[in-house]
Amino acid sequence: QKEVEQNSGPLSVPEGAIASLNCTYSDRVSQSFFWYRQYSGKSPELIMSIYSNGDKEDGRFTAQLNKASQYVSLLIRDSQPSDSATYLCAVNMIRSGYSTLTFGKGTMLLVSP
Amino acid sequence: DTEVTQTPKHLVMGMTNKKSLKCEQHMGHRAMYWYKQKAKKPPELMFVYSYEKLSINESVPSRFSPECPNSSLLNLHLHALQPEDSALYLCASSQDAGDTYNEQFFGPGTRLTVL
Repeated sequence: QKEVEQNSGPLSVPEGAIASLNCTYSDRVSQSFFWYRQYSGKSPELIMSIYSNGDKEDGRFTAQLNKASQYVSLLIRDSQPSDSATYLCAVNMIRSGYSTLTFGKGTMLLVSP
Repeated sequence: DTEVTQTPKHLVMGMTNKKSLKCEQHMGHRAMYWYKQKAKKPPELMFVYSYEKLSINESVPSRFSPECPNSSLLNLHLHALQPEDSALYLCASSQDAGDTYNEQFFGPGTRLTVL
């Protein structure tokens, strides 16, 4: 069973701090990795995609990938209360020749003013 | 326009009713997906359509019947549902389901309650 693991949290950080969200995956052949943000009662919103080892930055968000360690992370700098949400790590897995996403259970982030 | 739309936003139905969920995208994507999400759980894949053909069915009960009338539209027909089918139903689309680097974009979802 291919799995994606995340700490469920909640991860609590003060406003302005760096939030660090982690994810591990079991399928060594996975090539693409995604972070989705989901506010309570809303649908998942894609915020970062990463395909190569190293860091990828987009505004206050930095995704990090280490394929050897099968580890993906998301850093949120200068955290804001509006960042409070559940963050879903998703890993692309090929099934029957088609690209599908396997999601972790999500980490709830709480940013306090 | 990076938007996937879904109707209705909310649906309440009895166990003997027949209803349909609708999804539409105008991004020129050729892959569309149905997911089911229960409270405090991640989305679970139900169906994948690639180039308007059903490509993956995750052993979903036959009371859920998907349909892809054209490349922009995806329907989910519901019949004889059970209360445990109550969930948020999400539609997503992506450029090409055969592409490894395949970003999926979700619609707002339909909140379904089965009485």
